[in-house]
Amino acid sequence: GNSVTQMEGPVTLSEEAFLTINCTYTATGYPSLFWYVQYPGEGLQLLLKATKADDKGSNKGFEATYRKETTSFHLEKGSVQVSDSAVYFCALSPSGTYKYIFGTGTRLKVLA
Amino acid sequence: DVKVTQSSRYLVKRTGEKVFLECVQDMDHENMFWYRQDPGLGLRLIYFSYDVKMKEKGDIPEGYSVSREKKERFSLILESASTNQTSMYLCASSPSRLLRATHVYEQYFGPGTRLTVT
Repeated sequence: GNSVTQMEGPVTLSEEAFLTINCTYTATGYPSLFWYVQYPGEGLQLLLKATKADDKGSNKGFEATYRKETTSFHLEKGSVQVSDSAVYFCALSPSGTYKYIFGTGTRLKVLA
Repeated sequence: DVKVTQSSRYLVKRTGEKVFLECVQDMDHENMFWYRQDPGLGLRLIYFSYDVKMKEKGDIPEGYSVSREKKERFSLILESASTNQTSMYLCASSPSRLLRATHVYEQYFGPGTRLTVT
């Protein structure tokens, strides 16, 4: 079946540190891949997406590359800020469906 | 901007009560979803609807029902609330996506309702 596995948190970093949050998936066919972010007290919002192999999604300094050979979609940012503190969810949408499958979320805490 | 609103941010109910959670979206989206969010489990799909009066069970439909009488509104119903339904409930909407289409539509989320059943 389809599933998403992401690294457990919390991840605690100092401001300006490099961030990587790992995400791997299992899916048949060619799913679309997403990263969503949830700030405290809010719903989820789309951070970036990729729809085919080798696509790179990017937004607000965050990047993730769709790697079909390793079934991964790791989230990276070169220099995190305190305002990036949030919970990050990796998700996939199997081709031909409306549904999304979410990972368990990774909490990021950035210290000043 | 797409806006998805949920009727309450916080709700406290007693065991056995019938509970209604309301969700409204203002972008004429065909698809609407109800998830519950629990620590360590991420988001799990309860039900989704792809059109008025149409619904499909998600991964954890037991103990829940839904209603979609109008395109913009999707209600989640707990027929007899239990303590194990204490959770954060998130509503989302998205445009429909044609099969094999190249476009990918994101889901837009409401702020969530934190439900406590005592």
